[in-house]
Amino acid sequence: GAVVSQHPSWVICKSGTSVKIECRSLDFQATTMFWYRQFPKQSLMLMATSNEGSKATYEQGVEKDKFLINHASLTLSTLTVTSAHPEDSSFYICSATGGRTSFAGELFFGEGSRLTVL
Amino acid sequence: AQKITQTQPGMFVQEKEAVTLDCTYDTSDPSYGLFWYKQPSSGEMIFLIYQGSYDQQNATEGRYSLNFQKARKSANLVISASQLGDSAMYFCAMRDRDDKIIFGKGTRLHILP
Repeated sequence: GAVVSQHPSWVICKSGTSVKIECRSLDFQATTMFWYRQFPKQSLMLMATSNEGSKATYEQGVEKDKFLINHASLTLSTLTVTSAHPEDSSFYICSATGGRTSFAGELFFGEGSRLTVL
Repeated sequence: AQKITQTQPGMFVQEKEAVTLDCTYDTSDPSYGLFWYKQPSSGEMIFLIYQGSYDQQNATEGRYSLNFQKARKSANLVISASQLGDSAMYFCAMRDRDDKIIFGKGTRLHILP
């Protein structure tokens, strides 16, 4: 099946720094990518929808200036956590789709990136 | 607004027994997809099974089956002959017309030897 890869898997940073997480579709063109965050023992919460070549659409309550999303190509979307604070520590997961379909297999998740802000 | 409800925060099941994980959903959209994902402690989301809103038959994938009751808006996951490796967090999810997936709060399943 198709593969979505996230990098880095783990990142530890100091408070106030910015961190970039990459989400790549390795063998298909991802027209749409989604970014989720997951706090410990909680569910995945959708942060934003990213379409190639256009601005991301953020869910209510998500600060677009803090979580910068770029989807410059059909195989790469990036999430940058700007001026990170300890409360931004979380597990961030991306998913990607090649287009509208009723088949579940065409929506793929990355392995996730665990961010710890000291 | 769309919503997924999983009422079982945690479950303990004896190995080799069948287990049913509950899921109810709410949507006004006639076209939707329902999913179950497994999330082990490593964090990756593992796709288990899918049910389309127009599918006439319940979906099955090996030991996994989805008990789809459209009128009751429920989509319970049934795992037959549970194994120790089934211990994980399980999420019920729904995809809308924009391909966004919303997740329930999850059920942590513990399989006992």
